[in-house]
Amino acid sequence: NAGVTQTPKFRVLKTGQSMTLLCAQDMNHEYMYWYRQDPGMGLRLIHYSVGEGTTAKGEVPDGYNVSRLKKQNFLLGLESAAPSQTSVYFCASGPVGGAYEQYFGPGTRLTVT
Amino acid sequence: AQKITQTQPGMFVQEKEAVTLDCTYDTSDPSYGLFWYKQPSSGEMIFLIYQGSYDQQNATEGRYSLNFQKARKSANLVISASQLGDSAMYFCAMREGERNTGFQKLVFGTGTRLLVSP
Repeated sequence: NAGVTQTPKFRVLKTGQSMTLLCAQDMNHEYMYWYRQDPGMGLRLIHYSVGEGTTAKGEVPDGYNVSRLKKQNFLLGLESAAPSQTSVYFCASGPVGGAYEQYFGPGTRLTVT
Repeated sequence: AQKITQTQPGMFVQEKEAVTLDCTYDTSDPSYGLFWYKQPSSGEMIFLIYQGSYDQQNATEGRYSLNFQKARKSANLVISASQLGDSAMYFCAMREGERNTGFQKLVFGTGTRLLVSP
């Protein structure tokens, strides 16, 4: 069991470039989440998905898009990266209802110059 | 308004001593959950302990216990017999439901950095 994996682990982008972060989970969880972590601000929810084919906006969705074409994968896209999107991105998954603990991936450190 | 407040940006403790990390929360939902996560310098988020709003007893997991005071809206983490490996960032989080969708989401505090010295 790999749990939650994220690809890539590190990335440097130039302003205006695009990229996709991939999250995969093998726990058959219905719910998946994307967070960003910035210094002094804890984790903030970007987008989430309550099942295959469904996505919804979280607290800080602007500048990001997501897709959940397969239950085990949740993709986070940056169409035109900005320096303000420099952050550490965490993916998480959890069972239906999100009532209990979420299982986090190892994180992706993204720098936009 | 801040939903989760962690007022201690940093805490220091000597090895083998106990330490309490503070967390207060704000919600009007009668059903909620409180979590503590540990984030070591390697960056991963590690689940430590969970307390449901209807749980009568304080949650315990090994050396971790959650001091849940519902009337005061506090959910402090107590680490007994601190170890060097406990040095990390600690986040308190609350599960709450969205009013329109009922979706349960986690709201995180800003964290407390704990340093355990020999």
